[in-house]
Amino acid sequence: EPEVTQTPSHQVTQMGQEVILRCVPISNHLYFYWYRQILGQKVEFLVSFYNNEISEKSEIFDDQFSVERPDGSNFTLKIRSTKLEDSAMYFCASQGQAGRQYFGPGTRLTVT
Amino acid sequence: SQELEQSPQSLIVQEGKNLTINCTSSKTLYGLYWYKQKYGEGLIFLMMLQKGGEEKSHEKITAKLDEKKQQSSLHITASQPSHAGIYLCGASYAGNNRKLIWGLGTSLAVNP
Repeated sequence: EPEVTQTPSHQVTQMGQEVILRCVPISNHLYFYWYRQILGQKVEFLVSFYNNEISEKSEIFDDQFSVERPDGSNFTLKIRSTKLEDSAMYFCASQGQAGRQYFGPGTRLTVT
Repeated sequence: SQELEQSPQSLIVQEGKNLTINCTSSKTLYGLYWYKQKYGEGLIFLMMLQKGGEEKSHEKITAKLDEKKQQSSLHITASQPSHAGIYLCGASYAGNNRKLIWGLGTSLAVNP
């Protein structure tokens, strides 16, 4: 089965630092997503990305967040100035023209 | 707003027993996903349902989507300790290639 990969698996950072979470979607997919899950809570949608631009974003996805697909393969989520409440598992997903969203294994972000 | 309600929130069963988990939407959904998760870990895809009345099975797990596409049930036959975990439903509403909205999850424990 095709796989979405994410790096790192675990990131520890200090409050106020910038972090970049990386995802390699499935190669022929066109739609990309970031979700997050605070431990013990629901999975929450952050942003969707298509044709090199954001197609939808949630209220959580404020100015401290950004996404890009710099080289046609990686899909990154940047958090400019991390807060304690950004600690969560971040999931990347990709989707082809039809069918399911494939999820990566997640990056656990811990902000201290 | 779209919301998914899962019931029950938690479930403890004896090994070998059957069980059902429900996911109910306040609006007609486009597609419904079932995932399994160990606490604090990644999402394991189980099934995706898109057509009203659709039913899919994988090993001892069967998922159904009702005709109105507002409720899905996940049924496990002859439960085993390996079935223990958190079962999440996620739904898309506006067509394919759209964000998923998630339920809070059902925590399942299977006692040997």
